[in-house]
Amino acid sequence: DIQMTQSPSSLPASLGDRVTITCRASQDIGNYLRWFQQKPGKSPRLMIYGATNLAAGVPSRFSGSRSGSDYSLTISSLESEDMADYYCLQSKESPFTFGSGTKLEIK
Amino acid sequence: EVQLVESGGGLVQPGRSLKLSCLASGFTFSNYGMNWIRQAPGKGLEWVASISSSSSYIYYADTVKGRFTISRDNAKNTLYLQMTSLRSEDTALYYCARGTGSSGFAYWGQGTLVTVSS
Repeated sequence: DIQMTQSPSSLPASLGDRVTITCRASQDIGNYLRWFQQKPGKSPRLMIYGATNLAAGVPSRFSGSRSGSDYSLTISSLESEDMADYYCLQSKESPFTFGSGTKLEIK
Repeated sequence: EVQLVESGGGLVQPGRSLKLSCLASGFTFSNYGMNWIRQAPGKGLEWVASISSSSSYIYYADTVKGRFTISRDNAKNTLYLQMTSLRSEDTALYYCARGTGSSGFAYWGQGTLVTVSS
């Protein structure tokens, strides 16, 4: 099975900061990588698909990138509404696997 | 407007069965693969199962294989998850989500809570 190692698990940051969350795939997943945002009591929201493509309605301060087996979600200038949990998901092959999550919180 | 509405959750004893439903609307259900994802209280997301648009391809997480069955009724625009031999570790909020292709996982339901306890 493909393992997705997500880091960090917690990320204290200040408004206006540039922040990056990373997932490392244990096997080749091509660009079959999605990023989700989840706020307390809410369903997950798709932010990035195909590793680098912004989902509909997602602010342009969010971006996705890939370097080898490392996939990153970057927020260029943190806003208060971005405080949430973030998860990556590989859908290259079954079983699909999520990263363990990153809690983005105000420093 | 795409809508996914899960139902069927509740309190069930260990070893018993439960069947979840996900009623879809606002799109042509028969054109899309579908997924079940769950989230234990205070924990992360776990993919559970996927089914292709015509039910030709079905996949399961190792943790539920042999106990859970995903199915769909395209005439009723409904996705199902039959859960048997339930364990305490199956306690979670169960979400359905649309699609597995490039547009996949863009739409989620609000979830239905399953609690396995004696």
